[in-house]
Amino acid sequence: ELKVEQNPLFLSMQEGKNYTIYCNYSTTSDRLYWYRQDPGKSLESLFVLLSNGAVKQEGRLMASLDTKARLSTLHITAAVHDLSATYFCAVDITGNQFYFGTGTSLTVIP
Amino acid sequence: NAGVTQTPKFQVLKTGQSMTLQCAQDMNHNSMYWYRQDPGMGLRLIYYSASEGTTDKGEVPNGYNVSRLNKREFSLRLESAAPSQTSVYFCASSLRPIEAFFGQGTRLTVV
Repeated sequence: ELKVEQNPLFLSMQEGKNYTIYCNYSTTSDRLYWYRQDPGKSLESLFVLLSNGAVKQEGRLMASLDTKARLSTLHITAAVHDLSATYFCAVDITGNQFYFGTGTSLTVIP
Repeated sequence: NAGVTQTPKFQVLKTGQSMTLQCAQDMNHNSMYWYRQDPGMGLRLIYYSASEGTTDKGEVPNGYNVSRLNKREFSLRLESAAPSQTSVYFCASSLRPIEAFFGQGTRLTVV
């Protein structure tokens, strides 16, 4: 059974601080995706990581993928309030099934 | 460019009633998906369709049926709604290896 685990599940951090969200998955995959969801809204794609060692950055967010360790990280630099949201990682196993982690609810405190 | 469109946005059903959730995409994607989202459980795959004319079960298919009407449309049917099916339902589409794009969701309550 495929498992996609994120930690932490809840994260409260002060503005200006750095933090990392972790996504572990239990089976081989070289495709991993990060999404953001605001309360009551749909999911918005943040990053697409398609190979071992892939690193993508957008503003204060940086995502990386280590397929050998089956681990992806989402690093937040100098957090701002606008980053408050729930972040999901998703693993593509067969090209036709995206399996999602349980999400990390991030609150950035002024 | 509308992307992925779901209807309805909100629905209240009585236990035992049936309904169909509609989904259409205009991005010429081959694959389409139905997920449900429950608090603390992330998104769970109900059914997916890798191409027109094919459908397959995901993690939680019990109580649901799907139809891939054509390349654009993928519907989800609840034949006899149960309170356990109260959830937010998302339709998505993708063209590998790009990411999946999601609709705005349908908030379903079964009383």
